[in-house]
Amino acid sequence: GAGVSQSPRYKVAKRGQDVALRCDPISGHVSLFWYQQALGQGPEFLTYFQNEAQLDKSGLPSDRFFAERPEGSVSTLKIQRTQQEDSAVYLCASSLVWGARTEAFFGQGTRLTVV
Amino acid sequence: KQEVTQIPAALSVPEGENLVLNCSFTDSAIYNLQWFRQDPGKGLTSLLLIQSSQREQTSGRLNASLDKSSGRSTLYIAASQPGDSATYLCAVRTTSGSRLTFGEGTQLTVNP
Repeated sequence: GAGVSQSPRYKVAKRGQDVALRCDPISGHVSLFWYQQALGQGPEFLTYFQNEAQLDKSGLPSDRFFAERPEGSVSTLKIQRTQQEDSAVYLCASSLVWGARTEAFFGQGTRLTVV
Repeated sequence: KQEVTQIPAALSVPEGENLVLNCSFTDSAIYNLQWFRQDPGKGLTSLLLIQSSQREQTSGRLNASLDKSSGRSTLYIAASQPGDSATYLCAVRTTSGSRLTFGEGTQLTVNP
């Protein structure tokens, strides 16, 4: 597709449920990022992939959060045993390579509400 | 740890005004700085990217400047239009990592 695609757009989960959020990056983009955006805040970094390698996961808030990109294209962010504080918009971004001249392109996000 | 601050948090102007949004960052060792626009319920749209070696970038009515030594960037919007109403975010990538660090944004309203 022409841009970064995320699904689902909206997800309501009961506290304690596991959820999986999908990101389809722009075709050919090597770098992929996940960010978490709370209401009224700027996005906060979660994790970074270069192809299938997860090079930085220092932003993941707990071991309940797990991300993968097994074939170097589509990525999934999984949250286990969801809690109310996990409610946020989860944004995926991709970049052709990750250098000084390259922009990150963001998807529309998945809004997760934990009830 | 890089910290990014945006001032003002909100701005309301009449159509046609020129305006300036401010972004400051604490660590001047940056690769680049990127300005984004976010419409309600939507993702981020990249507006301009300034490399650390550059002082400004222009795209249409938008001009972004970078003063790395003082840790500041400004986004200038000329002849504002109601369609410019959105939240504007700046994000910095430092040389020590892969992440973008975002400010909290400036919510702009341009009134017809």
